[in-house]
Amino acid sequence: RKEVEQDPGPFNVPEGATVAFNCTYSNSASQSFFWYRQDCRKEPKLLMSVYSSGNEDGRFTAQLNRASQYISLLIRDSKLSDSATYLCVVSSGYSTLTFGKGTMLLVSP
Amino acid sequence: GAGVSQSPSNKVTEKGKDVELRCDPISGHTALYWYRQSLGQGLEFLIYFQGNSAPDKSGLPSDRFSAERTGGSVSTLTIQRTQQEDSAVYLCASSPSGKSGNEQFFGPGTRLTVL
Repeated sequence: RKEVEQDPGPFNVPEGATVAFNCTYSNSASQSFFWYRQDCRKEPKLLMSVYSSGNEDGRFTAQLNRASQYISLLIRDSKLSDSATYLCVVSSGYSTLTFGKGTMLLVSP
Repeated sequence: GAGVSQSPSNKVTEKGKDVELRCDPISGHTALYWYRQSLGQGLEFLIYFQGNSAPDKSGLPSDRFSAERTGGSVSTLTIQRTQQEDSAVYLCASSPSGKSGNEQFFGPGTRLTVL
């Protein structure tokens, strides 16, 4: 089983739509969780951390379910500029991040 | 302020040659990471430096890969006797410390092509 699994997509949605991505992780000892965004041929950048209580940042909402070991990202009112690959990222300790392969989102006019 | 920088941005080499990739982390960041991203694949951890501690080399795919970090700042990733499967984007990241909750800031990467 892969450590962090995501649906690769692509998710094709019109502007203004709401879209949700899920991610599952295998290591129950994982401590920190993130969503990173990666634009085509660019480096990943942190979108938001994911907290157990769930957290929101503008149009973006992240949820964590430790019992089921999955993480979600909800994007409301999608913009063209949201088109990117969204990486689910998990950390088990002090050193490394484990990345999913990413979910591609394409927002069309 | 200045972000993480990497050089070269692109490197084309012939199979069997050695290459050196450089990373300049954000000033003051004690943790430095190397990853690689192959086409259609997720980021793969290679090596991690934290301050003056011994590096975590658990992700290095073979003994052809090595890295060093001089003076707790600049890092060099060396790939000896390159193979075609080494072709990938090599990404460096730094963070203020090695704590798992810290954001990692990535450089733009070095795109390595081995012919």
